[in-house]
Amino acid sequence: GAVVSQHPSRVICKSGTSVKIECRSLDFQATTMFWYRQFPKQSLMLMATSNEGSKATYEQGVEKDKFLINHASLTLSTLTVTSAHPEDSSFYICSARDLAEQYFGPGTRLTVT
Amino acid sequence: DAKTTQPPSMDCAEGRAANLPCNHSTISGNEYVYWYRQIHSQGPQYIIHGLKNNETNEMASLIITEDRKSSTLILPHATLRDTAVYYCIVRGDNYGQNFVFGPGTRLSVLP
Repeated sequence: GAVVSQHPSRVICKSGTSVKIECRSLDFQATTMFWYRQFPKQSLMLMATSNEGSKATYEQGVEKDKFLINHASLTLSTLTVTSAHPEDSSFYICSARDLAEQYFGPGTRLTVT
Repeated sequence: DAKTTQPPSMDCAEGRAANLPCNHSTISGNEYVYWYRQIHSQGPQYIIHGLKNNETNEMASLIITEDRKSSTLILPHATLRDTAVYYCIVRGDNYGQNFVFGPGTRLSVLP
């Protein structure tokens, strides 16, 4: 089946710094990518939807200036958490959709100290 | 909000069939029923999906009631590696629709 990768798999950063997470579709072109966030013992919550070459659409309550999403190509989307705070510590999961189905990445564990 | 209701947790003995129920009483005609699972600290893994007919693949079987208001995921011979959170998701076939995850069912397969 189609593969979605994320890099890094886990990252620790200091409060106030920014961190970038990459999401790649390895063997297909993803016209739409989704970013989810999952806090401990909770379900996945959609943060934003991005289409290649256009601005991302953010869910209510998600700050677009804090969570910068770039979907510059059909195989790569990036999520940058700017000025990270400890409450941003979470499991971030991307998902990529081709014309038929949607596939999920393995997730990135972000810890802000 | 998620359009499905699942029990929060279930236990199953290793080697036995695990039957995970899901209610989706407000499902509409063009919406599919998808099942994913998430093993701890991993991304969701696709299991199976269907519209109205029962489906079977190498992982599981999906039984959808005739009125489509509920379904059951069946893992025929559960193993310890099947311990995970199982999500039942209803999604339409319109391009661009995303998956809305509910709390799912935490399945514990016991030795």
